[in-house]
Amino acid sequence: DAKTTQPPSMDCAEGRAANLPCNHSTISGNEYVYWYRQIHSQGPQYIIHGLKNNETNEMASLIITEDRKSSTLILPHATLRDTAVYYCIVKGNFNKFYFGSGTKLNVKP
Amino acid sequence: DAGVIQSPRHEVTEMGQEVTLRCKPISGHNSLFWYRQTMMRGLELLIYFNNNVPIDDSGMPEDRFSAKMPNASFSTLKIQPSEPRDSAVYFCASSPRELYGYTFGSGTRLTVV
Repeated sequence: DAKTTQPPSMDCAEGRAANLPCNHSTISGNEYVYWYRQIHSQGPQYIIHGLKNNETNEMASLIITEDRKSSTLILPHATLRDTAVYYCIVKGNFNKFYFGSGTKLNVKP
Repeated sequence: DAGVIQSPRHEVTEMGQEVTLRCKPISGHNSLFWYRQTMMRGLELLIYFNNNVPIDDSGMPEDRFSAKMPNASFSTLKIQPSEPRDSAVYFCASSPRELYGYTFGSGTRLTVV
């Protein structure tokens, strides 16, 4: 399974866009990039996933570089409720997800 | 849709006792996963089932841990005998099919004293 590298923490001002980077340089051609987040004391929550093309849903946008070695999760207008740990995961075989350390996003007023 | 339902939410037990954690996946989801989360080790995948069959239990830490899925709507994770180092939050998650994201339950916080 491809490993991912994320910064341990980031700050973002409320109302501004939060851009969370992820490196996955060993990703295979058929592996997807998934993003989850975990708000304190809750179970992880699925955000978005993609293979090659950029993706957008009601929660966020996912930008994947052309070589697929890195990606960025964008929360367009961060709120205090977006404070959480964000996990970037590359899907392994047999539908298993391995969670790394993630990025702790602190949204500040 | 009630989501993935786990019970109990909190469990405090004495070392050596048997502990059973329960999970009801979302109806129609054919994959079920058990994770454990601690401060030291983060989120660890323990075991996962596909169509009620255990596919990979390589993450189960010891023989003291066992998991079953007798039908599509119910799974258990049992620890016997429990030890203080088993204290963690245990999450159950389900997924409808390959390439879909998981839906996690609220977790069971286990404390073994």
